[in-house]
Amino acid sequence: NAGVTQTPKFQVLKTGQSMTLQCAQDMNHEYMSWYRQDPGMGLRLIHYSVGAGITDQGEVPNGYNVSRSTTEDFPLRLLSAAPSQTSVYFCASERRTSSYNEQFFGPGTRLTVL
Amino acid sequence: AQSVTQLDSHVSVSEGTPVLLRCNYSSSYSPSLFWYVQHPNKGLQLLLKYTSAATLVKGINGFEAEFKKSETSFHLTKPSAHMSDAAEYFCVVHISSGSARQLTFGSGTQLTVLP
Repeated sequence: NAGVTQTPKFQVLKTGQSMTLQCAQDMNHEYMSWYRQDPGMGLRLIHYSVGAGITDQGEVPNGYNVSRSTTEDFPLRLLSAAPSQTSVYFCASERRTSSYNEQFFGPGTRLTVL
Repeated sequence: AQSVTQLDSHVSVSEGTPVLLRCNYSSSYSPSLFWYVQHPNKGLQLLLKYTSAATLVKGINGFEAEFKKSETSFHLTKPSAHMSDAAEYFCVVHISSGSARQLTFGSGTQLTVLP
């Protein structure tokens, strides 16, 4: 099991450029999420998906798009990068049991927007 | 609404001494509570979880946490710190009947272990 994988690990963009952060999981989890991590703010939810074809907005969705065509993949698109989107991005998938839900995180993508 | 407060942004201990990282939460429902650890330039790793079974939860690497409903706390402890424990720690609350959007992270506590 590779778990949750993310590519790229690092990326530098210029303001206005677009790009896609890739995320894949091989645990057959229905739930997947994208978070951004900024100093002193913990992780904040950008978008999430409860299954293929179903996505919804989290706490900070502006400037980002997602789609979920398969259970395995959940890419995050930056439409027109801004310096405020400089952050570390984590993808997670979620295992649900009858008593709790457990998140599995990818290694992160460190994005700098100039 | 739910929230998580990590009371210390930085904690510094000497190797071999006890560790206490404090977390208070608020939730209208019965929560599941987690502690995650993040080493530099790494993803988040689950340390332990509370899911309404035993109130004292044992995790990996010798860490424990005690759920105290009366104090709405879920503090993380370890009897003896090791240099490898230096990392950032996140307390997380999750409503057990909720979806991913009801997962709330604390702002993190940076643990420094001095030789």
